[in-house]
Amino acid sequence: KAGVTQTPRYLIKTRGQQVTLSCSPISGHRSVSWYQQTPGQGLQFLFEYFSETQRNKGNFPGRFSGRQFSNSRSEMNVSTLELGDSALYLCASSLAGTGSGNTIYFGEGSWLTVV
Amino acid sequence: AQSVTQLGSHVSVSEGALVLLRCNYSSSVPPYLFWYVQYPNQGLQLLLKYTSAATLVKGINGFEAEFKKSETSFHLTKPSAHMSDAAEYFCAVSGDNQGGKLIFGQGTELSVKP
Repeated sequence: KAGVTQTPRYLIKTRGQQVTLSCSPISGHRSVSWYQQTPGQGLQFLFEYFSETQRNKGNFPGRFSGRQFSNSRSEMNVSTLELGDSALYLCASSLAGTGSGNTIYFGEGSWLTVV
Repeated sequence: AQSVTQLGSHVSVSEGALVLLRCNYSSSVPPYLFWYVQYPNQGLQLLLKYTSAATLVKGINGFEAEFKKSETSFHLTKPSAHMSDAAEYFCAVSGDNQGGKLIFGQGTELSVKP
């Protein structure tokens, strides 16, 4: 059974550009959530999608957005990149979120460097 | 509101010694608690989770954790450390109606000395 797949794994962008990251969840999983990991702030929740609807959102500016497709694949977009957006972006999938203690499975992450 | 505090950003043990990584949580709802491990340049791997069944939870690689409601703790232990256990460990909390949202602690980096 394939795990959570994230692409690209590494990318470098310039300030002011935008970036799109992709995530394919585990087959059968309908919940996809995104996290940002930085040395200073640790792991922070960005948002979660379930059946193409954003169900929960963290405390990030509107430059961060996402969407989920009918096949449960998800993308997140960051517009007008800032140096502080440099981070590891982790995608996670689960059957239906953390309700009933469902397990959340993480991908390998996308390393974004903004220069 | 939910929060997690991991005591000690760095823990160093000798190979064969007991590993104890501390996690305290705060939650206004019955919590689900998780421990994840992250090896360099990799994502997060689930070690174990507590979902209100048994309070002593056994996970992979010989790790276990005990849920203590009175102490609001969920400490991670392993009787005998291996060199391969060197990694960063994260405690996380969630609950019903939280969607896919996990609240993570700041992490504890475990070093294992030969």
